Amino acid sequence: DVKVTQSSRYLVKRTGEKVFLECVQDMDHENMFWYRQDPGLGLRLIYFSYDVKMKEKGDIPEGYSVSREKKERFSLILESASTNQTSMYLCASSFAGHLATNEKLFFGSGTQLSVL
Amino acid sequence: AQTVTQSQPEMSVQEAETVTLSCTYDTSESDYYLFWYKQPPSRQMILVIRQEAYKQQNATENRFSVNFQKAAKSFSLKISDSQLGDAAMYFCAYRSAEYGNKLVFGAGTILRVKS
Repeated sequence: DVKVTQSSRYLVKRTGEKVFLECVQDMDHENMFWYRQDPGLGLRLIYFSYDVKMKEKGDIPEGYSVSREKKERFSLILESASTNQTSMYLCASSFAGHLATNEKLFFGSGTQLSVL
Repeated sequence: AQTVTQSQPEMSVQEAETVTLSCTYDTSESDYYLFWYKQPPSRQMILVIRQEAYKQQNATENRFSVNFQKAAKSFSLKISDSQLGDAAMYFCAYRSAEYGNKLVFGAGTILRVKS
């Protein structure tokens, strides 16, 4: 089975800290995504990457950056954490093959981040 | 931009009964994919069912089926013979067939199953 692993299940940080959220997948997927999940808003895309060192902004990239130095790892970075970044963060990955057959997203179990 | 709306924040169903979760979407595209994902308390998102917009036949997966109304831009999920393990948050999602891999999600519906 495909495994998408997020390094922390719960994380508590202070305002202004630099925060790294790590995600690793073991199926050689080209695409990797970072979503943010908030009550009443569903999942919103922050950034995605379709290849090593490639990235594209999603719908809410402000306050975030990403890094993809190796194919299996996609990091989300909060340069200076703020209280409005308290949320559940979900990482996902997928193949980049023909869309009709390979569009399934595989998700990690999420990191609940609290910024105090 | 595409949007997905789930108008039911919470739903309840008795065990063994049938429940329908609603989803509407807005798009100007003619070719796209629609999905229902389940998120149990473990937080692990699980793909429940998917529908290709060019297919008129409604998708089914065991106890799960959809009612896809393309003209009305409606995509509801029917769960038959509900089980306690069906209790979860359910998300409806849209993906363009032309413009890449990202999914647009609705706000979610919490489904509670009563024994």
